[in-house]
Amino acid sequence: DTGVSQDPRHKITKRGQNVTFRCDPISEHNRLYWYRQTLGQGPEFLTYFQNEAQLEKSRLLSDRFSAERPKGSFSTLEIQRTEQGDSAMYLCASSLGLVDYNSPLHFGNGTRLTVT
Amino acid sequence: KQEVTQIPAALSVPEGENLVLNCSFTDSAIYNLQWFRQDPGKGLTSLLLIQSSQREQTSGRLNASLDKSSGRSTLYIAASQPGDSATYLCAVRRNFNKFYFGSGTKLNVKP
Repeated sequence: DTGVSQDPRHKITKRGQNVTFRCDPISEHNRLYWYRQTLGQGPEFLTYFQNEAQLEKSRLLSDRFSAERPKGSFSTLEIQRTEQGDSAMYLCASSLGLVDYNSPLHFGNGTRLTVT
Repeated sequence: KQEVTQIPAALSVPEGENLVLNCSFTDSAIYNLQWFRQDPGKGLTSLLLIQSSQREQTSGRLNASLDKSSGRSTLYIAASQPGDSATYLCAVRRNFNKFYFGSGTKLNVKP
Protein backbone atom coordinates (compact mmCIF):
# COMPACT_ATOMS: atom_id res chain seq x y z
CA ASP A 1 0.00 0.00 0.00
CA THR A 2 1.93 2.99 -1.31
CA GLY A 3 -0.90 5.45 -0.71
CA VAL A 4 -2.53 7.89 -3.08
CA SER A 5 0.00 9.86 -5.10
CA GLN A 6 -0.54 13.10 -6.96
CA ASP A 7 1.62 14.87 -9.49
CA PRO A 8 2.77 17.59 -9.63
CA ARG A 9 2.87 18.85 -6.04
CA HIS A 10 2.90 22.45 -7.13
CA LYS A 11 1.90 24.14 -10.37
CA ILE A 12 2.23 27.83 -11.19
CA THR A 13 0.61 28.91 -14.42
CA LYS A 14 -0.47 32.07 -16.15
CA ARG A 15 -4.10 32.91 -16.59
CA GLY A 16 -5.50 31.39 -19.75
CA GLN A 17 -3.16 28.40 -19.83
CA ASN A 18 -4.29 24.79 -19.57
CA VAL A 19 -3.09 22.53 -16.77
CA THR A 20 -3.40 18.81 -16.11
CA PHE A 21 -3.00 16.97 -12.83
CA ARG A 22 -2.56 13.27 -12.28
CA CYS A 23 -3.72 11.02 -9.46
CA ASP A 24 -2.69 7.42 -8.83
CA PRO A 25 -5.05 5.88 -6.28
CA ILE A 26 -4.27 2.98 -3.99
CA SER A 27 -4.24 -0.11 -6.17
CA GLU A 28 -7.49 -2.11 -6.09
CA HIS A 29 -9.45 0.95 -4.93
CA ASN A 30 -12.54 1.14 -7.13
CA ARG A 31 -13.61 4.63 -6.22
CA LEU A 32 -11.71 7.80 -6.97
CA TYR A 33 -12.69 11.32 -5.97
CA TRP A 34 -11.45 14.82 -6.81
CA TYR A 35 -11.85 17.64 -4.34
CA ARG A 36 -10.84 21.29 -4.26
CA GLN A 37 -9.74 23.03 -1.09
CA THR A 38 -9.15 26.71 -0.51
CA LEU A 39 -7.39 28.21 2.49
CA GLY A 40 -9.26 27.75 5.74
CA GLN A 41 -12.00 25.64 4.21
CA GLY A 42 -12.77 21.96 4.06
CA PRO A 43 -12.52 20.07 0.76
CA GLU A 44 -15.33 20.61 -1.74
CA PHE A 45 -16.46 17.73 -3.94
CA LEU A 46 -15.72 18.04 -7.66
CA THR A 47 -16.30 14.62 -9.20
CA TYR A 48 -16.03 10.90 -8.59
CA PHE A 49 -15.39 7.70 -10.52
CA GLN A 50 -16.43 4.17 -9.92
CA ASN A 51 -13.80 2.23 -11.84
CA GLU A 52 -13.62 4.05 -15.20
CA ALA A 53 -17.13 5.52 -15.07
CA GLN A 54 -17.54 9.14 -14.01
CA LEU A 55 -20.75 8.94 -12.00
CA GLU A 56 -21.18 12.43 -10.64
CA LYS A 57 -19.92 15.94 -11.24
CA SER A 58 -20.42 18.89 -8.94
CA ARG A 59 -21.91 22.12 -10.21
CA LEU A 60 -18.54 23.58 -9.17
CA LEU A 61 -17.05 21.74 -12.14
CA SER A 62 -17.56 24.20 -14.98
CA ASP A 63 -17.12 23.20 -18.61
CA ARG A 64 -13.48 24.28 -18.36
CA PHE A 65 -12.85 21.28 -16.10
CA SER A 66 -12.66 17.72 -17.31
CA ALA A 67 -11.64 14.53 -15.57
CA GLU A 68 -10.89 11.06 -16.87
CA ARG A 69 -10.03 7.67 -15.50
CA PRO A 70 -9.45 5.75 -18.72
CA LYS A 71 -8.65 2.27 -17.44
CA GLY A 72 -10.06 2.50 -13.97
CA SER A 73 -6.61 3.09 -12.52
CA PHE A 74 -5.02 6.56 -12.56
CA SER A 75 -7.05 9.70 -13.17
CA THR A 76 -6.36 13.10 -14.70
CA LEU A 77 -8.01 16.43 -14.02
CA GLU A 78 -7.60 19.10 -16.68
CA ILE A 79 -8.44 22.76 -16.32
CA GLN A 80 -8.63 24.75 -19.53
CA ARG A 81 -8.23 28.52 -19.79
CA THR A 82 -7.29 28.84 -16.13
CA GLU A 83 -8.58 31.78 -14.10
CA GLN A 84 -7.22 33.27 -10.89
CA GLY A 85 -10.23 31.85 -9.05
CA ASP A 86 -9.00 28.36 -9.90
CA SER A 87 -6.08 28.82 -7.50
CA ALA A 88 -6.54 26.16 -4.83
CA MET A 89 -5.30 22.80 -3.59
CA TYR A 90 -6.67 19.96 -5.72
CA LEU A 91 -6.99 16.76 -3.73
CA CYS A 92 -7.52 13.24 -4.93
CA ALA A 93 -8.91 10.50 -2.73
CA SER A 94 -9.73 6.84 -3.19
CA SER A 95 -11.67 4.19 -1.36
CA LEU A 96 -12.21 0.48 -1.65
CA GLY A 97 -15.39 -1.38 -2.32
CA LEU A 98 -18.47 -1.07 -4.46
CA VAL A 99 -21.01 -1.83 -1.75
CA ASP A 100 -19.14 -1.02 1.45
CA TYR A 101 -20.26 2.36 2.73
CA ASN A 102 -17.74 2.16 5.55
CA SER A 103 -14.58 2.01 3.50
CA PRO A 104 -12.54 5.03 4.60
CA LEU A 105 -11.35 7.78 2.27
CA HIS A 106 -7.60 7.98 1.66
CA PHE A 107 -6.21 11.25 0.34
CA GLY A 108 -3.10 12.16 -1.59
CA ASN A 109 -0.94 15.16 -0.74
CA GLY A 110 -2.64 17.31 -3.32
CA THR A 111 -1.57 19.59 -6.15
CA ARG A 112 -1.26 23.25 -5.20
CA LEU A 113 -2.29 25.38 -8.22
CA THR A 114 -1.42 29.06 -8.41
CA VAL A 115 -2.77 31.06 -11.33
CA THR A 116 -1.01 34.39 -11.87
CA LYS B 1 -28.21 19.91 2.28
CA GLN B 2 -25.88 18.59 4.94
CA GLU B 3 -24.04 21.30 6.89
CA VAL B 4 -21.00 20.37 8.96
CA THR B 5 -19.67 22.78 11.56
CA GLN B 6 -16.52 22.60 13.60
CA ILE B 7 -16.05 24.79 16.64
CA PRO B 8 -13.70 26.28 17.63
CA ALA B 9 -11.93 27.26 14.41
CA ALA B 10 -8.64 27.43 16.29
CA LEU B 11 -7.37 26.16 19.62
CA SER B 12 -4.09 26.63 21.46
CA VAL B 13 -3.20 24.47 24.45
CA PRO B 14 -0.08 23.70 26.49
CA GLU B 15 1.61 20.36 26.01
CA GLY B 16 0.17 17.54 28.10
CA GLU B 17 -3.37 18.87 28.20
CA ASN B 18 -6.34 16.68 27.27
CA LEU B 19 -8.62 18.32 24.72
CA VAL B 20 -11.86 17.87 22.84
CA LEU B 21 -12.65 18.94 19.29
CA ASN B 22 -16.26 19.25 18.21
CA CYS B 23 -18.09 18.46 14.99
CA SER B 24 -21.81 18.95 14.40
CA PHE B 25 -23.94 18.07 11.40
CA THR B 26 -27.49 18.97 10.47
CA ASP B 27 -28.78 15.75 8.87
CA SER B 28 -28.57 12.59 10.96
CA ALA B 29 -29.06 10.30 7.93
CA ILE B 30 -25.38 9.43 7.64
CA TYR B 31 -23.49 6.18 7.06
CA ASN B 32 -20.40 7.18 8.97
CA LEU B 33 -18.24 10.01 10.20
CA GLN B 34 -14.52 10.22 9.60
CA TRP B 35 -11.92 12.36 11.38
CA PHE B 36 -8.87 13.55 9.48
CA ARG B 37 -5.69 15.39 10.28
CA GLN B 38 -4.15 17.85 7.82
CA ASP B 39 -0.64 19.27 8.13
CA PRO B 40 0.16 22.56 6.35
CA GLY B 41 0.42 22.12 2.59
CA LYS B 42 -0.41 18.43 2.79
CA GLY B 43 -3.35 16.18 2.13
CA LEU B 44 -5.70 14.68 4.71
CA THR B 45 -4.67 11.72 6.83
CA SER B 46 -7.46 9.49 8.09
CA LEU B 47 -7.50 9.13 11.87
CA LEU B 48 -10.72 7.35 12.80
CA LEU B 49 -13.95 6.27 11.13
CA ILE B 50 -17.11 5.72 13.16
CA GLN B 51 -19.93 3.81 11.55
CA SER B 52 -23.46 5.09 12.13
CA SER B 53 -24.22 2.08 14.34
CA GLN B 54 -21.21 2.74 16.57
CA ARG B 55 -20.84 5.13 19.50
CA GLU B 56 -17.07 5.48 19.59
CA GLN B 57 -13.73 4.44 18.16
CA THR B 58 -10.29 4.56 19.74
CA SER B 59 -6.80 4.66 18.31
CA GLY B 60 -3.92 5.28 20.68
CA ARG B 61 -4.41 8.66 22.36
CA LEU B 62 -7.41 9.46 20.17
CA ASN B 63 -11.02 8.67 20.95
CA ALA B 64 -13.89 9.70 18.72
CA SER B 65 -17.54 9.54 19.72
CA LEU B 66 -20.70 9.82 17.67
CA ASP B 67 -24.21 10.80 18.72
CA LYS B 68 -26.09 10.54 15.46
CA SER B 69 -29.46 11.56 16.84
CA SER B 70 -28.13 14.88 18.11
CA GLY B 71 -25.84 15.40 15.12
CA ARG B 72 -22.62 15.58 17.11
CA SER B 73 -19.20 14.00 17.21
CA THR B 74 -16.20 14.71 19.38
CA LEU B 75 -12.54 13.90 18.99
CA TYR B 76 -10.75 13.54 22.30
CA ILE B 77 -6.96 13.82 22.32
CA ALA B 78 -5.24 12.69 25.50
CA ALA B 79 -1.93 14.07 26.74
CA SER B 80 -1.44 16.38 23.77
CA GLN B 81 2.01 16.76 22.23
CA PRO B 82 3.52 19.44 19.96
CA GLY B 83 3.45 16.89 17.14
CA ASP B 84 -0.35 16.90 17.38
CA SER B 85 -0.38 20.46 16.02
CA ALA B 86 -2.37 20.36 12.78
CA THR B 87 -5.83 21.07 11.42
CA TYR B 88 -8.42 18.44 12.29
CA LEU B 89 -11.38 17.96 9.96
CA CYS B 90 -14.48 15.83 10.24
CA ALA B 91 -16.50 14.51 7.31
CA VAL B 92 -19.88 12.79 7.22
CA ARG B 93 -20.85 10.33 4.51
CA ARG B 94 -24.41 10.28 3.15
CA ASN B 95 -23.89 7.83 0.29
CA PHE B 96 -21.10 6.53 -1.90
CA ASN B 97 -20.14 9.86 -3.35
CA LYS B 98 -21.38 12.39 -0.84
CA PHE B 99 -18.91 13.39 1.82
CA TYR B 100 -19.50 16.67 3.61
CA PHE B 101 -16.54 18.28 5.32
CA GLY B 102 -16.28 20.82 8.10
CA SER B 103 -13.82 23.70 7.81
CA GLY B 104 -11.61 22.22 10.50
CA THR B 105 -10.15 23.14 13.87
CA LYS B 106 -6.57 24.37 13.78
CA LEU B 107 -4.80 22.99 16.85
CA ASN B 108 -1.58 24.39 18.26
CA VAL B 109 0.07 22.49 21.10
CA LYS B 110 2.68 24.64 22.78
CA PRO B 111 5.82 23.00 24.21
